[in-house]
Amino acid sequence: SAVISQKPSRDICQRGTSLTIQCQVDSQVTMMFWYRQQPGQSLTLIATANQGSEATYESGFVIDKFPISRPNLTFSTLTVSNLSPEDSSIYLCSVRLAGGNTQYFGPGTRLTVL
Amino acid sequence: AQSVTQLGSHVSVSEGALVLLRCNYSSSVPPYLFWYVQYPNQGLQLLLKYTTGATLVKGINGFEAEFKKSETSFHLTKPSAHMSDAAEYFCAVSGSNYGGATNKLIFGTGTLLAVQP
Repeated sequence: SAVISQKPSRDICQRGTSLTIQCQVDSQVTMMFWYRQQPGQSLTLIATANQGSEATYESGFVIDKFPISRPNLTFSTLTVSNLSPEDSSIYLCSVRLAGGNTQYFGPGTRLTVL
Repeated sequence: AQSVTQLGSHVSVSEGALVLLRCNYSSSVPPYLFWYVQYPNQGLQLLLKYTTGATLVKGINGFEAEFKKSETSFHLTKPSAHMSDAAEYFCAVSGSNYGGATNKLIFGTGTLLAVQP
């Protein structure tokens, strides 16, 4: 498995601002993903973070709203832009190891937008 | 296309009783199947997974699940519930990893397990 940390663990933000979430892994991983878990809901994949290139977004998610960076094999950031109360969710980073078939999840970032 | 259905958004059992959480899947390719657990205010922890081979898989904390292709099911069981098992459980499916196969993990809607003393 992998040890995954996320910063911040939680935040309260004002409408119209942005929040950048960091995901750090203790080993080099091939795949990194970002998920959203809305209150009382299941997880939805936002995008796959590609190292050295633009992220691959799922239907319904766009780069202007959720810009993602992945400068190396152990680190990624997700920014949630122009926040609205509907963005209040838990955002989770996950990784898949080279040759593996299992995704491991970070502890999540709980975002509340006022 | 793939999908997951978890029957029962809330399940309540008595301590010491059998736990059975139901999961049915749909997949056009051989599936990889997973159960994750989420404790309050925490991230997801892998309980167990099925990829290939033995259809009965054992996981952490005494849980196990059986892959039944004919029934497209992957139900999670534990013979005797503990208070510490109270959490939300998610079933998930992904495609098998051959030549450009999907990385996407499709989750069910989750089942909240309550354990009564």
